Amino acid sequence: EVQLVESGGGLVQPGGSLRLSCAASGLTFSSNWMSWVRQAPGKGLEWVANIKQDGSEKNYMDSVKGRFTISRDNAKNSLYLQMNSLRAEDTAVYYCARGGAHGHWGQGTLVTVSS
Amino acid sequence: DIQMTQSPSSLSASVGDRVTITCRASQGISNYLAWFQQKPGKAPKSLIYAASSLQSGVPSRFSGSGSGTDFTLTISSLQPEDFATYYCQQYKSYPLTFGGGTTVDI
Repeated sequence: EVQLVESGGGLVQPGGSLRLSCAASGLTFSSNWMSWVRQAPGKGLEWVANIKQDGSEKNYMDSVKGRFTISRDNAKNSLYLQMNSLRAEDTAVYYCARGGAHGHWGQGTLVTVSS
Repeated sequence: DIQMTQSPSSLSASVGDRVTITCRASQGISNYLAWFQQKPGKAPKSLIYAASSLQSGVPSRFSGSGSGTDFTLTISSLQPEDFATYYCQQYKSYPLTFGGGTTVDI
């Protein structure tokens, strides 16, 4: 059974930083593109970033370019999202998901940006 | 960016009803279209990928169709556990984009 478990969320002040992690099991992690998708409270789904199997290609939504960095460690079956210069509008539940079609999702971790 | 427009935004239905949700892309995306179900407080669940391929374990009452710009998700006979919000998503080009969602309630 595929399991994706996010961690690292919490309350952070505007301008602060946070690093999210996603631990994967039950799949060949190194064979899959991986994504971060977020959902603001009461809103719809919004793709944030994704990364190729070997980490050689990374893609981001415009509003996080230069502030967020996606990375992965295939030896640890782990995906990461380093978030810097956080803004109130980054407040959301952040999900990791497998593949371009997002075939499996984690349970999410809540990031709240507030003073 | 490719805009994904779902209709309706909400609908009321009864157990046993046939339900159809439409998703329209602002430009052609071939069959790079996925559908998700989300229940309150829960993570999304993948239902369909490649416009019409059912994810493993998803009941056969769910089906998807379409290609190019127009797509549909059909629930052939609505069950109590199907009351949820449904999203489409294109993965043809970046940024990957989702529709605004369709809430199916009683």
